[in-house]
Amino acid sequence: EAGVAQSPRYKIIEKRQSVAFWCNPISGHATLYWYQQILGQGPKLLIQFQNNGVVDDSQLPKDRFSAERLKGVDSTLKIQPAKLEDSAVYLCASSLDLPQGSTDTQYFGPGTRLTVL
Amino acid sequence: GESVGLHLPTLSVQEGDNSIINCAYSNSASDYFIWYKQESGKGPQFIIDIRSNMDKRQGQRVTVLLNKTVKHLSLQIAATQPGDSAVYFCAEKVVGGSYIPTFGRGTSLIVHP
Repeated sequence: EAGVAQSPRYKIIEKRQSVAFWCNPISGHATLYWYQQILGQGPKLLIQFQNNGVVDDSQLPKDRFSAERLKGVDSTLKIQPAKLEDSAVYLCASSLDLPQGSTDTQYFGPGTRLTVL
Repeated sequence: GESVGLHLPTLSVQEGDNSIINCAYSNSASDYFIWYKQESGKGPQFIIDIRSNMDKRQGQRVTVLLNKTVKHLSLQIAATQPGDSAVYFCAEKVVGGSYIPTFGRGTSLIVHP
C-alpha cells in the first residue's frame, strides 16, 4: 500500500513570496491533516479535512495560509506571503474516517521542508 | 538509559541497552496516548498506543507505561538498536473530544554501536 505522498520535498523562497505544497493521502482515507513542525518541536495541527470539508482550522493563520481539498482526495496548502517564521517542515497526514470516540491511526507523509530567507 | 522528556531532550545509549523515554502530559482529561517515532527526513510513525483504562501495553520490543495519577507516560525500548535512533514524541487526546492528538516536544534517542 502506498503511503502519503508530498511534494516538493524541499523549497527555499524569499520572504513575501508565495509557496504551495501538495499532498496525496493514502487511498480510501477520508480524513486529511496539515501540520507545521518547527525545528525541535512537535507537529502542530494547521487544518483538518474530512472528505472535502474543513473540520478544524482554528490554528491556521488565515491571513496568509490557505488550504483546499476540492475533490476530497488531494490537498494543497498555500502560504502567501511567506514570513521568516514560516520556515518549518509541513507534514501531511491521513486517516480512515471512524466514528467519534474511536481511535484511529494517522499516517504521515515525509513532509516538505520550507526555508524562508 | 532514561530521559526526563521535556527537560532532557536527548538520550544517548549503547546498542543493546534498554531505553526509557519519559513524557509528562498536560490534560487530565486525556484518555488516549500515542508514541510516535520520527527519523530524520521522515514524518512521524506510529509505534504504540494506550488507553487510559490500561497501565501497561506491550508491543514488539516496546512497552508503554501510563501513570494517570501523576500524568506520566513512558516508552521502554528493549535491546536498543542503532535503527532506533530517532526523535520520539508522545501525543495525547480525549477520545470523545477533538480527534486531533496534541504532540509533546519530543526526545532525541541516539544509539551508539
